[in-house]
Amino acid sequence: EAGVAQSPRYKIIEKRQSVAFWCNPISGHATLYWYQQILGQGPKLLIQFQNNGVVDDSQLPKDRFSAERLKGVDSTLKIQPAKLEDSAVYLCASSFGGDRGYGYTFGSGTRLTVV
Amino acid sequence: KNEVEQSPQNLTAQEGEFITINCSYSVGISALHWLQQHPGGGIVSLFMLSSGKKKHGRLIATINIQEKHSSLHITASHPRDSAVYICAVSPGGATNKLIFGTGTLLAVQP
Repeated sequence: EAGVAQSPRYKIIEKRQSVAFWCNPISGHATLYWYQQILGQGPKLLIQFQNNGVVDDSQLPKDRFSAERLKGVDSTLKIQPAKLEDSAVYLCASSFGGDRGYGYTFGSGTRLTVV
Repeated sequence: KNEVEQSPQNLTAQEGEFITINCSYSVGISALHWLQQHPGGGIVSLFMLSSGKKKHGRLIATINIQEKHSSLHITASHPRDSAVYICAVSPGGATNKLIFGTGTLLAVQP
């Protein structure tokens, strides 16, 4: 079974530039999550989709971050403009959904460095 | 105080040793996850538990719902087990985000 695919693996940009990350979840997984993991910390949920709809985006800095999940499959996360403190690993995960998040699977992440 | 606490934070073991990592949580949960993250790598899900015990190869995970406690055991540890082990809980409900522990950094020396 294919895992959660993310691209790119690494990205270096200058502050105030924009960047986009892509995620393809496991086939059949209704729920998709974007997490931000700053070095030395645990992942923090940025946004959760259930099919096309947003379930939780309470910790998404909406002035600079945006995300969409077209057709309930692939998703993109965008940062515009980037700040130094956005340097982190951005993890995409997916699950079948439901109360327990059955089948929770993470992608390899995108390591973003803002200079 | 974090809602999910892990101990120890750092652990060094010799190859072949039996390893235990503990996780305590203070919220109601629908499931508990044990995750593994190698340095510079992605996160791999090892177990999802809602009760009892699960075993996969040399890994065993247990959970005591009443005590709000879970343990991850590694038998016959190997240097390739060196990684960060993360306990995370699903509070359940509509937003199924995970609440993560701070992780345990395990180093297994040959």
